[in-house]
Formats: sequence, structure tokens, C-alpha cells
Amino acid sequence: GAVVSQHPSRVICKSGTSVKIECRSLDFQATTMFWYRQFPKQSLMLMATSNEGSKATYEQGVEKDKFLINHASLTLSTLTVTSAHPEDSSFYICSARDLGTVDLYFGPGTRLTVT
Amino acid sequence: DQQVKQNSPSLSVQEGRISILNCDYTNSMFDYFLWYKKYPAEGPTFLISISSIKDKNEDGRFTVFLNKSAKHLSLHIVPSQPGDSAVYFCAGAWGAQKLVFGQGTRLTINP
Repeated sequence: GAVVSQHPSRVICKSGTSVKIECRSLDFQATTMFWYRQFPKQSLMLMATSNEGSKATYEQGVEKDKFLINHASLTLSTLTVTSAHPEDSSFYICSARDLGTVDLYFGPGTRLTVT
Repeated sequence: DQQVKQNSPSLSVQEGRISILNCDYTNSMFDYFLWYKKYPAEGPTFLISISSIKDKNEDGRFTVFLNKSAKHLSLHIVPSQPGDSAVYFCAGAWGAQKLVFGQGTRLTINP
């Protein structure tokens, strides 16, 4: 089946720094990618929808200036957490929609810890 | 407003028996429902889906039932196996766009 990768899988950063997380579709093209975050024992919360070549659409309550999303190609979307704070510590997951089949595939997630 | 609810945070089932995971929703616009399985520190993996125009979809040991009038769906796993122990999320989708997830139910299969 289709594979979506995320890099890094784990990252620890200091408060105030920025962290970039990459999401790649490895064997298919994705015009649409989604970014989620999951707090412990809670649901996956959609943060934003990333569309190739255009601006991301953010869900209500998600700061677009803090969570910068770039979808520069049909196989890559990046999420940059700017000026990270401890409360940004979470598990971030991306998903990519196969352009050909419209199926949705999830990446393995990135564990962000802000100290 | 929680559009998709999984009211049971956890469920324990004996190996070989049937596991039934429940999900309720409030958004009548959902035209597709999906179940995902998630292991700790991993991304969700797709299990099974059902269109809102159907009431049942079966794939091997997994069957999803949809009751539109009650806005309720359930996932049946039979027979349950130890490898089925994971967190299960149901999700609603509309217009082939974004998914709305429930809170998840942790399923534990006991030997």
C-alpha cells in the first residue's frame, strides 16, 4: 500500500526555538495533505489542510503564524512550529490523499517535546 | 461541539470472542465513515470504511454497521486476536475532504 513518511520521528527542542516536520508521500502524488495533533489519551485533532501550490486552510483556534505549513510539491508538506513552547509538546501526524485513488494514508507521526 | 463520539474509553475482550466498538455522531453531512487502528507512537492505519448509503460493510474479521436513524456506527471484530489490542478511532468525513475523529477506544484482548 501507499506509504507516508514523517521526519523526524522524535524531536526535542528548547522553548523559543522553531522546529520543522516533514511529511512525504513516497509512492504517490498528493495534492492535499492534512496535519493533526494528538494529546495523550485524546482524539486526533485536525489542525490544517495543506493544498499543493496554495495557502493552507487552518481549523478554528489554530494559529497560522505559529504553525507554518508549506506544500511546495505533490509529495512534500512541511509543518514548522515557530517559537515553540512546552504546551506545543504533542504527537503530530500528517496524512496524504492519493491524487489517483482519493484514499487517505497516515504518516507514523512525530513526537515533539519542548523543554 | 464534538461531532464524533466514542463514549467508551476502553474495552477488554477475551481472545476468540467478539469485540464491539461503538461510535455516535451528530453531523448529518457525513457521507463516509472510517475506522482506524492506532498503536502507541505510531500513526493510524486504515481498517474499514462504510458509505452513508449502506448499513453494513464486511472485510474479513472486521464488520462495520451503520444506523443512520440513530446516528450510530459500530465495528465488530470476530474472532478477536491479541494483535487487535490497540486504540481504535472512528471518523466521519464529508465531500471526500477532512476527517473528524472520535476520542478513541482502547481495546485490550486478553488471552
